Amino acid sequence: DAKTTQPNSMESNEEEPVHLPCNHSTISGTDYIHWYRQLPSQGPEYVIHGLTSNVNNRMASLAIAEDRKSSTLILHRATLRDAAVYYCILEGSGGSNYKLTFGKGTLLTVNP
Amino acid sequence: DTGVSQDPRHKITKRGQNVTFRCDPISEHNRLYWYRQTLGQGPEFLTYFQNEAQLEKSRLLSDRFSAERPKGSFSTLEIQRTEQGDSAMYLCASSLAGFSTDTQYFGPGTRLTVL
Repeated sequence: DAKTTQPNSMESNEEEPVHLPCNHSTISGTDYIHWYRQLPSQGPEYVIHGLTSNVNNRMASLAIAEDRKSSTLILHRATLRDAAVYYCILEGSGGSNYKLTFGKGTLLTVNP
Repeated sequence: DTGVSQDPRHKITKRGQNVTFRCDPISEHNRLYWYRQTLGQGPEFLTYFQNEAQLEKSRLLSDRFSAERPKGSFSTLEIQRTEQGDSAMYLCASSLAGFSTDTQYFGPGTRLTVL
């Protein structure tokens, strides 16, 4: 499975934007970029995914570099509820299964 | 709530005992996954079902582990002769097969403690 690299931790202030980076230099042409987050004592929660173009949804935005070797998850206004571990995952389409390979993720702390 | 549910949420057992966990996926989802998560680590893939067929098993899934998904609905994960190293959070996820990638929805997990 293609590997991703994320900072171990990041800190933000409430109501400020947060940019969570992810490097994936060995991404293949058919790999989707997924972001999940895990709040304390809960299962992971889907945030957003994309292939080539930038994506927006109600939770976040995903900015994908032109060469696809990196991406950034953008939380436009962080809230205390956004404090979680954020995982950037590559998932190769077209295979017989769609298992997710999680790394250690980025622990986001949001200060009031 | 129509999300993924898991039962029990917590299980404490003694070494050598058998345990069984249940996962009820979102009703129309045909894919079901089991993951295991230890403290400070991300979840690790264990096994995957499409409908009732178990299509992949991780090398992490030793002979003491068995998973079933009868009739393609709920799934069970059984661990026989539990060991202390089995202590972890066991997560279930489900998804609906799409044309390319899909989105997995996770349950709250079952936390297993083996004494």
